[in-house]
Amino acid sequence: DAGVTQSPTHLIKTRGQQVTLRCSPKSGHDTVSWYQQALGQGPQFIFQYYEEEERQRGNFPDRFSGHQFPNYSSELNVNALLLGDSALYLCASSLILGVTGELFFGEGSRLTVL
Amino acid sequence: ELKVEQNPLFLSMQEGKNYTIYCNYSTTSDRLYWYRQDPGKSLESLFVLLSNGAVKQEGRLMASLDTKARLSTLHITAAVHDLSATYFCAVDLGTSNTGKLIFGQGTTLQVKP
Repeated sequence: DAGVTQSPTHLIKTRGQQVTLRCSPKSGHDTVSWYQQALGQGPQFIFQYYEEEERQRGNFPDRFSGHQFPNYSSELNVNALLLGDSALYLCASSLILGVTGELFFGEGSRLTVL
Repeated sequence: ELKVEQNPLFLSMQEGKNYTIYCNYSTTSDRLYWYRQDPGKSLESLFVLLSNGAVKQEGRLMASLDTKARLSTLHITAAVHDLSATYFCAVDLGTSNTGKLIFGQGTTLQVKP
């Protein structure tokens, strides 16, 4: 049973560029959430997708956008990259009707902005 | 605004000793999660606590939740080196599965032989 998978694992971009990160949820899960984790910090919620729509959003600017596909996989797009966007981006999947609300995290995509 | 605070932020302990990590949060919530993160790795789910008085145990780790005090504890019994990692507590504000967890700053545990 495959867990949450993310790609790419590492990438380097320069300021002003755009990046797309990808996520496949755990088998059977229908909901994907994205988090940003800066070095030495706890993860911060970016947004959640369910039924191909953004359901919840954290305090992130519009430069951060996402998409969910019919197979439940998801993309995170960040435009006009800033140095401060350098972080580990974590995707988490869950069941919208799950009893516990537990999130299962992928290994993350580490973004470095130069 | 919900705040989640952990203490201590760094803990160095000897193998075989016991210690407790505290997680305080500022707004009512009935859902609290503990995660473990190894350096450069993702988050591994340890415990899901869903009601006041909930207690869960796995190996040398035991977690509890007191929703009235807005406090959760992660107790480590007879620590071993393999427990060295960063531990996060996270609180879910919503009553439905919003996926929006508010994480604490993390407690980095170092267990010395």
